[in-house]
Amino acid sequence: SAVISQKPSRDICQRGTSLTIQCQVDSQVTMMFWYRQQPGQSLTLIATANQGSEATYESGFVIDKFPISRPNLTFSTLTVSNMSPEDSSIYLCSVVGGNEQFFGPGTRLTVL
Amino acid sequence: GQNIDQPTEMTATEGAIVQINCTYQTSGFNGLFWYQQHAGEAPTFLSYNVLDGLEEKGRFSSFLSRSKGYSYLLLKELQMKDSASYLCAVAGVNTGFQKLVFGTGTRLLVSP
Repeated sequence: SAVISQKPSRDICQRGTSLTIQCQVDSQVTMMFWYRQQPGQSLTLIATANQGSEATYESGFVIDKFPISRPNLTFSTLTVSNMSPEDSSIYLCSVVGGNEQFFGPGTRLTVL
Repeated sequence: GQNIDQPTEMTATEGAIVQINCTYQTSGFNGLFWYQQHAGEAPTFLSYNVLDGLEEKGRFSSFLSRSKGYSYLLLKELQMKDSASYLCAVAGVNTGFQKLVFGTGTRLLVSP
């Protein structure tokens, strides 16, 4: 199994600002994933963070809004840029181990 | 595209058995996952099915029929702590094994 930590655990931000979320894994993984879970909704994949190449974004998500870094095999960051209240959500980092996908504890973001 | 359907909410009594259904339509199939998510927490892995049939793990079992695009999660001897959301997720061939598409989740309420 993988142990995943995220920082910050929660934050309240002002409209128009940006927040960078960090994800740390206790073992080396090839791919890391970023998901969003809006209030009362299920999880939606934002992008796949690949080490050594650009992130791969899902439909509806763009790099300018959600830039991702992946400097090594145990760490990734997701930035939520130019935030609006619609970005209020839980952001989760995830990795795969065997047939299981493990999730970090999530970052609860509230945008005022 | 991919479409995953689950009931929104279910209720059951402590000690009873409950079955949560999930139907899916995907352009390809590479496995189906069930996750449990308590309010305010990250999803935790319950089961993975890629072949037809029943997988049993303690009080929880998961069934898959690929020809029918159907799965269910069976919870036996319900406990109060089983009150949570249960998420069905599919890995599609076109999206890659490691990228999951989630259903909207089924909120289960267990009463005394």
